Formats: sequence, C-alpha cells, structure tokens
Amino acid sequence: DADVTQTPRNRITKTGKRIMLECSQTKGHDRMYWYRQDPGLGLRLIYYSFDVKDINKGEISDGYSVSRQAQAKFSLSLESAIPNQTALYFCATSDSRAGSSYNEQFFGPGTRLTVL
Amino acid sequence: AQSVTQPDIHITVSEGASLELRCNYSYGATPYLFWYVQSPGQGLQLLLKYFSGDTLVQGIKGFEAEFKRSQSSFNLRKPSVHWSDAAEYFCAVGAANTGNQFYFGTGTSLTVIP
Repeated sequence: DADVTQTPRNRITKTGKRIMLECSQTKGHDRMYWYRQDPGLGLRLIYYSFDVKDINKGEISDGYSVSRQAQAKFSLSLESAIPNQTALYFCATSDSRAGSSYNEQFFGPGTRLTVL
Repeated sequence: AQSVTQPDIHITVSEGASLELRCNYSYGATPYLFWYVQSPGQGLQLLLKYFSGDTLVQGIKGFEAEFKRSQSSFNLRKPSVHWSDAAEYFCAVGAANTGNQFYFGTGTSLTVIP
C-alpha cells in the first residue's frame, strides 16, 4: 500500500549498533503503530501513538524506542541492536474518526531487519 | 486477557476446493474482528472486518467470515480456492475502548495444490 511507506525495506546490521526504521503515511490518519513479525508468533505490538504527544508502550517495547516527529511520521529505534531483534517490522495507521474504515489498520510493506 | 487463537498452523487444499480457516478470540469487550492476508514478501491486506450487525460478512477476493459470539469464533471461508490464494492469513481482534490495540493470531499458512 503506497499510502504507508517504510524505509529501509531491508537492513543488515551488527550487534550493538543503533538503527532507526522510519514510517511515513499520506492517509491523514492520527494513529500509528509499530509491530514486529516473527515466524510462528504472528504480529506483536511494540509501540503505538494516538497523536504527536501521545505515545504508548505495546506488548514488547523493551529494547525499542519511538519518535512521532509529525502526524505523518513515526520512527522506531533500536538503541543497541541484538540478534533476537531480527524480524520483519511493520508500521500501521488507523483513523480515530468515525467512518467506514474506523478501527481498520492499514499496513506498510514492512522492513526486514537482520542483526548479526 | 485478550488473545486470538488460530489452531491451524498450515493448511493444504486443492485448487477449486472449499476452505475454512479457524479463528477463536478471547476479549472482554465487544470485539472488532478482522482477517488479513499476507502474500510472500508483502505487507498485510485487509480481507474483511466485523464491527456489528449481520454476523456473516463478505470480503474481497470471494472470502466471507461468520461471527459466532457463543463460540467466540470468526472463521474465514471461501467456497472455491484459487492458486493465487496461497498466502499467510491472520485473524485479529481490536476494540476502540483500548485505543484500537490489535491482537493478532499466529497465522495460518495456506498452500494450494493444482
């Protein structure tokens, strides 16, 4: 879905490095989310943000931090990457206003991160 | 606690056969239920959703799902599977009163054989 973009799409890094994954959206949605996907575990929520000043921890926030630079931008950082953070990371958005797409989450294409 | 269970890790069906993917949820509030599909190397695409009303919902690509409150289930069905349906399927539950947090199942991988 071109409305939610993630950069980079693939990244290989080394243990201990700091890395940032970026997400941008042109949907005008107020809510944004970061998930990680691991084989056999489905998607798990890392952080979510209702607006620029409202950021919340999800199920697995340890080792991660986020920044909501603007309504359209939500970045995920790994301050010191470790191998078990190797995963596929997805950004998603949703719209809190009432409407037909209320509560639906729209996903970006994902970033495949490998930590060696 | 909120949770979603997809009992079938992997399913193989023949092209043209019918399909049913199971999803059971545990949620204290009124659930919003979703099915997403993920093709290899792709993001997640919404197939269908249930908020309220008619418990049988129609989605894209010929899929449908039925919400059964008594069984806490939201199973996905398709009467005739096409080879292009081979993908990973995720059931998710969310609710507005928890900030639209989604809880995903672990997914069911579908293989379609000719």
